[in-house]
Amino acid sequence: GPKVLQIPSHQIIDMGQMVTLNCDPVSNHLYFYWYKQILGQQMEFLVNFYNGKVMEKSKLFKDQFSVERPDGSYFTLKIQPTALEDSAVYFCASSLAGGISNERLFFGHGTKLSVL
Amino acid sequence: GDSVIQMQGQVTLSENDFLFINCTYSTTGYPTLFWYVQYSGEGPQLLLQVTTANNKGSSRGFEATYDKGTTSFHLQKTSVQEIDSAVYYCAMSDMSNYNVLYFGSGTKLTVEP
Repeated sequence: GPKVLQIPSHQIIDMGQMVTLNCDPVSNHLYFYWYKQILGQQMEFLVNFYNGKVMEKSKLFKDQFSVERPDGSYFTLKIQPTALEDSAVYFCASSLAGGISNERLFFGHGTKLSVL
Repeated sequence: GDSVIQMQGQVTLSENDFLFINCTYSTTGYPTLFWYVQYSGEGPQLLLQVTTANNKGSSRGFEATYDKGTTSFHLQKTSVQEIDSAVYYCAMSDMSNYNVLYFGSGTKLTVEP
């Protein structure tokens, strides 16, 4: 079936540095999402993105976070600067449409971010 | 605000046992409810969804229904197999935002041979 690819699968970084997580969404999808999962806890919505703009973001989407998808390439989540509490698995997802509550999301395998 | 509560953190069953996992939800909108499954080392994938209360969703032998009166929804399977071992998440979205999914905390199912 359709695949969402996330690169890298694991990233280790020192606190205060910048990190960029990359996501290659399903090719014809138009809506993109990031979710955060701290070990042992539930996945929580961070942000969604459509047509070059953030549509919704949660309280977890701090000012240090930004997303973009330049020229239809990777959908990225950048954290600058990173903090210890940013350590988590970040899941990217995409969907064909949005604003429809029963639209199916396709998730990547996640990028485990470890901030030391 | 919108939320989903999934109380069962871990469930261990034997093959051919009956599975029942329950969640409760809270929303002021009109929810669509989902069950996602996450196998080891992979991302969550949609197992099934239920759009209308008291209707059933079904997939791969799993069934789900939701009860608007008790704001609960559950996942069941009559006879689990070892390959069903995974983490199962209930999730909810509503019409008021762009596909924001609210996830429960997950139930880790282990099926022993």
